[in-house]
Amino acid sequence: RKEVEQDPGPFNVPEGATVAFNCTYSNSASQSFFWYRQDCRKEPKLLMSVYSSGNEDGRFTAQLNRASQYISLLIRDSKLSDSATYLCVVSPNDYKLSFGAGTTVTVRA
Amino acid sequence: ETGVTQTPRHLVMGMTNKKSLKCEQHLGHNAMYWYKQSAKKPLELMFVYSLEERVENNSVPSRFSPECPNSSHLFLHLHTLQPEDSALYLCASSQADRAVKAFFGQGTRLTVV
Repeated sequence: RKEVEQDPGPFNVPEGATVAFNCTYSNSASQSFFWYRQDCRKEPKLLMSVYSSGNEDGRFTAQLNRASQYISLLIRDSKLSDSATYLCVVSPNDYKLSFGAGTTVTVRA
Repeated sequence: ETGVTQTPRHLVMGMTNKKSLKCEQHLGHNAMYWYKQSAKKPLELMFVYSLEERVENNSVPSRFSPECPNSSHLFLHLHTLQPEDSALYLCASSQADRAVKAFFGQGTRLTVV
């Protein structure tokens, strides 16, 4: 079983729509959870951390369900600039990150 | 400009060649990482250097040889690679206990022919 699994998509949504997707992780001892964003042919960049209580950053909302071992990301009021691949990242310790293969989101005008 | 610079950005090499990838960070970090990203696959952690000592080596074939001469520089020496080694190689840096806050370089896209 993969450490981190994501639906690859693509999720094709119109501008202004809401899009949401999940990722699941296999290591129940995982301590920290994050979403990264990777634009085409660019490097990954940290988008936001994911906290047990759920957290928002502008139009982005992240949720963590430890019991079911999944993480979600919701994007409201999608913009064209939100088109990217979103990487789910799980960290069991201070120096190791386990990445999912990514979920591709395409926002169309 | 991310503060982490990788060279070259693109590299085509034959299976008998020897080449090196270079990474330099200007962020004052003390941990550096090599990741491999193949098409449609997750990023794979290859090597971690923390305080200039290697702390992680994820069963990477010996044809990949890392070198970390100081906390600002990281190299990946390549020799006798295989076509399946073609991928995007990403360098990252962070503070030693903050891997998640890592900044990535733009990567070297490697093609082995």
